[in-house]
Amino acid sequence: QVQLQESGPGLVKPSQTLSLTCTVSGGSISSGNYYWSWIRQPAAKGLEWIGRIYTDGSTNYNPSLKSRVTISIDTSKRQFSLKLTSVTAADTAMYYCASEDRYCNATHCFVSWGEGTLVTVSS
Amino acid sequence: DIQMTQSPSPLSASVGDRVTITCRASQSIYRYLNWYQQKPGKAPKLLIYATSSLQSGVPSRFSGSASGTDFTLTISSLQPEDFATYFCQQSYSTPWTFGQGTKVEVK
Repeated sequence: QVQLQESGPGLVKPSQTLSLTCTVSGGSISSGNYYWSWIRQPAAKGLEWIGRIYTDGSTNYNPSLKSRVTISIDTSKRQFSLKLTSVTAADTAMYYCASEDRYCNATHCFVSWGEGTLVTVSS
Repeated sequence: DIQMTQSPSPLSASVGDRVTITCRASQSIYRYLNWYQQKPGKAPKLLIYATSSLQSGVPSRFSGSASGTDFTLTISSLQPEDFATYFCQQSYSTPWTFGQGTKVEVK
């Protein structure tokens, strides 16, 4: 299984842009077996899927965040990234990157996760 | 979006108990349902995919089943390391959605 590691600022001011990067190791980010996803979790709450990117650069976003989200991929650096614009306190959460396996017995599943990075939106 | 509703929450149990957690989908998702375990301060861990397929390395005391839009995660004999929060996730259609979580706590 691949290993993933998130990186980026832990504090973002309201109305600014949240930017995170996930570095993939132990496997190829160009593998057609995976989508590369971002998922977030506010403190003591549930999980929210933000969106995903495939190795060819195609993306899918959660409609609840679509107007503010951009996910990109840099295969040469083995990284994919998340940008979330116009953040508010409601965007304060633990942000995880995860590999979404396309072949979990004819469905998709999140096989590997990064350890997560806490992002706080505050002035 | 497909809504996933888990019950109960929380769940109080003792070591050795048989534990059952239920997840109900707001529409048919066939067998496209995954289960994750999350311990405090850690990322979720995949336990079961496609309703009943055990992820590699997961103990056989974990099992999954389905009846219509109701899905069940069963722990046959609860072990100390199983006290955690469990999430279901539908993988039928995007946006992928999760249940709100079931915390299994010490009775």
